[in-house]
Amino acid sequence: DSGVTQTPKHLITATGQRVTLRCSPRSGDLSVYWYQQSLDQGLQFLIQYYNGEERAKGNILERFSAQQFPDLHSELNLSSLELGDSALYFCASSLGTQGTEAFFGQGTRLTVV
Amino acid sequence: QQQVKQSPQSLIVQKGGISIINCAYENTAFDYFPWYQQFPGKGPALLIAIRPDVSEKKEGRFTISFNKSAKQFSLHIMDSQPGDSATYFCAAWGTGTASKLTFGTGTRLQVTL
Repeated sequence: DSGVTQTPKHLITATGQRVTLRCSPRSGDLSVYWYQQSLDQGLQFLIQYYNGEERAKGNILERFSAQQFPDLHSELNLSSLELGDSALYFCASSLGTQGTEAFFGQGTRLTVV
Repeated sequence: QQQVKQSPQSLIVQKGGISIINCAYENTAFDYFPWYQQFPGKGPALLIAIRPDVSEKKEGRFTISFNKSAKQFSLHIMDSQPGDSATYFCAAWGTGTASKLTFGTGTRLQVTL
């Protein structure tokens, strides 16, 4: 158990809908990262937050947004969902902003039908 | 400059053999190089990591070799076991332009009996 908690584990929704994925980082970790992993694909970096502020952005679609709350949990919002958004979405956390151990949650499997 | 190139894409090794996975990077701002192990449907788990001030790090059957001048690093799994069958990702991150955890494309390892 990495200590990073993601909910829900599975999500099935229709095209055009909006969903929210939730991540609780390990106790004491200030950074949260979101990654997308499509079937048999690598891990694509989406966005990073540190202590509530956005720190780095990857190839995140404009339909996607995220935030980190004062209690350090984070949410990833995906809207106007398309079939191609079906993927595993992982959250990771670390103490600092780079060069430290990052631990991943078990992921949320999103299926868009 | 953000890429981390990983090879091979897949690898089949007999039980007891040595598994070797290679990675290369371009951005010299990377200064932390972790390896992650991922089982199907699970989140990536941090396996072992190295910084460029050392050329080798060993933890149990897992060894990272690092060649700073060549900008290459590799994972060696000694005495490979069927339970090691998983996908392995190398990664890198650092400061400035490298301040996001960037992953290689992954290597699917199968250890046969």
